[in-house]
Amino acid sequence: GQSLEQPSEVTAVEGAIVQINCTYQTSGFYGLSWYQQHDGGAPTFLSYNALDGLEETGRFSSFLSRSDSYGYLLLQELQMKDSASYFCAVYQGGKLIFGQGTELSVKP
Amino acid sequence: DSGVTQTPKHLITATGQRVTLRCSPRSGDLSVYWYQQSLDQGLQFLIQYYNGEERAKGNILERFSAQQFPDLHSELNLSSLELGDSALYFCASSPDGKAGNEQFFGPGTRLTVL
Repeated sequence: GQSLEQPSEVTAVEGAIVQINCTYQTSGFYGLSWYQQHDGGAPTFLSYNALDGLEETGRFSSFLSRSDSYGYLLLQELQMKDSASYFCAVYQGGKLIFGQGTELSVKP
Repeated sequence: DSGVTQTPKHLITATGQRVTLRCSPRSGDLSVYWYQQSLDQGLQFLIQYYNGEERAKGNILERFSAQQFPDLHSELNLSSLELGDSALYFCASSPDGKAGNEQFFGPGTRLTVL
């Protein structure tokens, strides 16, 4: 089977940096994706890491360590609009398996 | 706007009934995915189609079925509905269904079973 663990909630202040961790246990690992979902809205793709290392896209970065079965999403210069749920997800056998999500609250 | 459309936006029905949810993928995308999101289960993969053929299956109940038509739109059929089927159902599409490709999600259909 497969499982992903991520914190359920994270709180940070505007302008700060926050890191959301994700550990996974899965067979046939292809890569780790991150999606953002605002309350009641559609999930939107943020990043995908197939290889070890850091991928940077603007204020967001994502990291993967395959040997540690671990990844994280780093959000810099937090803005109020970043308040949302963030999901890590792994591909296995054509299926995208999502973690339970981390609810990020950005405070002024 | 992701380019993926889903109808209806909201659906309220009674236990034991059958409903059909419809999804139109982004223009050019061959792969369609269905997900169920409920409060206690998170975002659960149901099924994937690629160019009309079933490609991957998740923990989809036997009461649920889906298909992808020649014009690439897809329908998810839910029958013998139970209270626990109340959830947000998302459809997503991607160009070729390969691992790592961005999946574009539709706005979802909120199903309420009374």
